[in-house]
Amino acid sequence: DGGITQSPKYLFRKEGQNVTLSCEQNLNHDAMYWYRQDPGQGLRLIYYSQIVNDFQKGDIAEGYSVSREKKESFPLTVTSAQKNPTAFYLCASSTRQGSPDTQYFGPGTRLTVL
Amino acid sequence: GQNIDQPTEMTATEGAIVQINCTYQTSGFNGLFWYQQHAGEAPTFLSYNVLDGLEEKGRFSSFLSRSKGYSYLLLKELQMKDSASYLCAVREGNDYKLSFGAGTTVTVRA
Repeated sequence: DGGITQSPKYLFRKEGQNVTLSCEQNLNHDAMYWYRQDPGQGLRLIYYSQIVNDFQKGDIAEGYSVSREKKESFPLTVTSAQKNPTAFYLCASSTRQGSPDTQYFGPGTRLTVL
Repeated sequence: GQNIDQPTEMTATEGAIVQINCTYQTSGFNGLFWYQQHAGEAPTFLSYNVLDGLEEKGRFSSFLSRSKGYSYLLLKELQMKDSASYLCAVREGNDYKLSFGAGTTVTVRA
């Protein structure tokens, strides 16, 4: 059955280490997105990609990097330059066609940096 | 950028009705979404409005007034499982990005 998967669900890293979060979708969606969610705040867009081999910075891209080599995959790397990386990370995808072009979310990865 | 405001918390009794308001300021409005998010889980899509008026989906309805920059989500016949955070999100222009409000936590009491 189709959907979006993110792994792992919980991730612990030491300060100063880079870490890559996985996001895979088999919905044949063109667009994929990465959001960060902190307590008491709305989802904030980190990066998004509308087609393979192309991506754009969102509102809080500093300290993060992405790649989009395949339509199905959009991994997010949290680098040591990200000053406060502990958060809940959500990946989403959409068809980028027609209306309403709803975004569908994966289950999320909770990253804790010790 | 966009400024999206929602109340932080609301409490209601099982079987009652709750209305969650969302106000926004944007240029080039191109749609408003409501999502439900249970604690620690992914947001799930509830409703979409792009034209003025009311959209009804079972126990949930969503209303939009573009001239007032205002939407509400109406939850009827509340059930305990409706206890969750409700997120208002606005799309601006032809870009497919969404801007989210901070969410409204609804607690349903017996």
